Amino acid sequence: DAGITQSPRYKITETGRQVTLMCHQTWSHSYMFWYRQDLGHGLRLIYYSAAADITDKGEVPDGYVVSRSKTENFPLTLESATRSQTSVYFCASGIGSYEQYFGPGTRLTVT
Amino acid sequence: RKEVEQDPGPFNVPEGATVAFNCTYSNSASQSFFWYRQDCRKEPKLLMSVYSSGNEDGRFTAQLNRASQYISLLIRDSKLSDSATYLCVVILSPYSGAGSYQLTFGKGTKLSVIP
Repeated sequence: DAGITQSPRYKITETGRQVTLMCHQTWSHSYMFWYRQDLGHGLRLIYYSAAADITDKGEVPDGYVVSRSKTENFPLTLESATRSQTSVYFCASGIGSYEQYFGPGTRLTVT
Repeated sequence: RKEVEQDPGPFNVPEGATVAFNCTYSNSASQSFFWYRQDCRKEPKLLMSVYSSGNEDGRFTAQLNRASQYISLLIRDSKLSDSATYLCVVILSPYSGAGSYQLTFGKGTKLSVIP
């Protein structure tokens, strides 16, 4: 019973490279979310999805792309990584848009 | 005024003490409220929902005060294992179509329970 998993857990990449962070949930939750967490900012919503093929921007979407072709997967792509995207990224899922269950996070460093 | 504000702490309390945190929100139209806890370098975990009538789960009690626009979390008989950062979440509008969803996490209040 894995619940919600993220991969990789740690990633170091160079400025300008494309990076994809994976998120997989086994609960068949309709909603999925991507957040970034930085010191001084708390958790900020990047993108969310209400169902397969339905995605929408959150508070800080610039520089990120998402897709959701299957209910269980919600990958987040940084098209051209910048140092300002160094952060901890959390994926979450939920039956509705209220209570959310978080994955273990991905620590991304952009050099 | 920021959308959601929490005292960052740290709150250092002895085992067995009662401690309370508040979280204020700026938009009176906010609809749903939650408390999460986050251990160091871990993911946030849902602690409890917050209802107008208040709700209790063991040693934890959450309250909503709409008139003063804040939610509170009370922890009784603090345990060492309660040491964590407590995040409040305010949902201004649940999802009802493209672009409709708005939520804000507070930056968290750090609690350290001391032996």
